[in-house]
Amino acid sequence: QSVLTQSPSASGTPGQRVTISCSGSSSNIGSNTVNWYQQLPGTAPKLLIYSNNQRPSGVPDRFSGSKSGTSASLAISGLQSEDEADYYCATWDDSLNGWVFGGGTKLTVL
Amino acid sequence: EVQLVESGGGLVQPGGSLRLSCEGSGFTFSSYWMIWVRQAPGKGLEWVANIKQDESEIYYVDSVKGRATISRDNAKNSLYLEMNNLRAEDTALYYCARDNQGGFDIWGQGTMVTVSS
Repeated sequence: QSVLTQSPSASGTPGQRVTISCSGSSSNIGSNTVNWYQQLPGTAPKLLIYSNNQRPSGVPDRFSGSKSGTSASLAISGLQSEDEADYYCATWDDSLNGWVFGGGTKLTVL
Repeated sequence: EVQLVESGGGLVQPGGSLRLSCEGSGFTFSSYWMIWVRQAPGKGLEWVANIKQDESEIYYVDSVKGRATISRDNAKNSLYLEMNNLRAEDTALYYCARDNQGGFDIWGQGTMVTVSS
């Protein structure tokens, strides 16, 4: 199992707001910033959020990130069909001396 | 265009070896940490190894320590991952990515490694 815990699945209807959570510990999320990646079917991952809440150029402001203590969240507002993808959180782990990913959350747009 | 292109994957027998390559273009390769991430079929992302700009810092996931060597040639804008004593559990799509201050902002298309007899 992954060092970072994510719910395996999430769903919502078009226009809805969905939140995906990522739970870790003091050695990873508690000590370092969190990034989020979106992986559309059959494609390479794409950086969606970095440094907890920053969006790279080109990422719509419908996507937002936050962190509190040893947990982080990705929120998607105004859900669209093209948001259907796998979402992964990631951060550095000071104890493992390495990057750790969450197990991924598969988002379904109903 | 900023891009990364991996190569070197293929079918290898258990216990065999493979060298993956990743060539960058469109950016100053020598200015960035670089990383290898793999994804087993139908599974999530797993960090494999990363390397600092001047190779002075290198880190590996425990499952490949002693079997993998990450290296780079900044003159050739290239990143490498040599893996030995390959196991079935190493079967995965291997991505290289650029580490831009902690965010992996550029990814290659991946190269598939299949370990099977």
